[in-house]
Amino acid sequence: GDSVTQMEGPVTLSEEAFLTINCTYTATGYPSLFWYVQYPGEGLQLLLKATKADDKGSNKGFEATYRKETTSFHLEKGSVQVSDSAVYFCALNNGDDKIIFGKGTRLHILP
Amino acid sequence: GAGVSQSPSNKVTEKGKDVELRCDPISGHTALYWYRQSLGQGLEFLIYFQGNSAPDKSGLPSDRFSAERTGGSVSTLTIQRTQQEDSAVYLCASSPRSGGRTDTQYFGPGTRLTVL
Repeated sequence: GDSVTQMEGPVTLSEEAFLTINCTYTATGYPSLFWYVQYPGEGLQLLLKATKADDKGSNKGFEATYRKETTSFHLEKGSVQVSDSAVYFCALNNGDDKIIFGKGTRLHILP
Repeated sequence: GAGVSQSPSNKVTEKGKDVELRCDPISGHTALYWYRQSLGQGLEFLIYFQGNSAPDKSGLPSDRFSAERTGGSVSTLTIQRTQQEDSAVYLCASSPRSGGRTDTQYFGPGTRLTVL
């Protein structure tokens, strides 16, 4: 079945460092890919998404490119801030009405 | 309008008791989902409602779990005879329509259930 694998955390970085959180997926067909973020004490919210190969999703300085050839959707940010500390979930939707989530990666940014 | 709301935000119960968790989706959203978030396990799909269609219950872990959605809006997730392994955060999400792989789901803040 469909699945999402993302790097295990926690990931700890200093402020202004470059961030990459790896995500790969297994799916039939052409799923849409998502990154959701969960800030402390809050619910999940959509960070960005891409719906077809080579699309780039971006929001709040974060980017991810849908790479069909490597079945990946890595999340990147050039300069992280303390306020980016959260849990990040990679996910896919293959059109069968439920999102398949990765296990989440906790990110700590140190001032 | 307002986002997805869930109540209670926290629930502590004793093993063997029944609990009910409530979800109010975004007004006008026809699709509603329940997920479970356990420590270290990511998010697990439980059940999905779309309009008046029969719900997709394929993710419910046992027959102790059930859910209903009244009037196509509010949903209640019921767990009977709770067990300690039911302790988790239960998340509800809604989306404007269904069947679209591009659809975004909007999540509520969750209900943290602790079974003693």
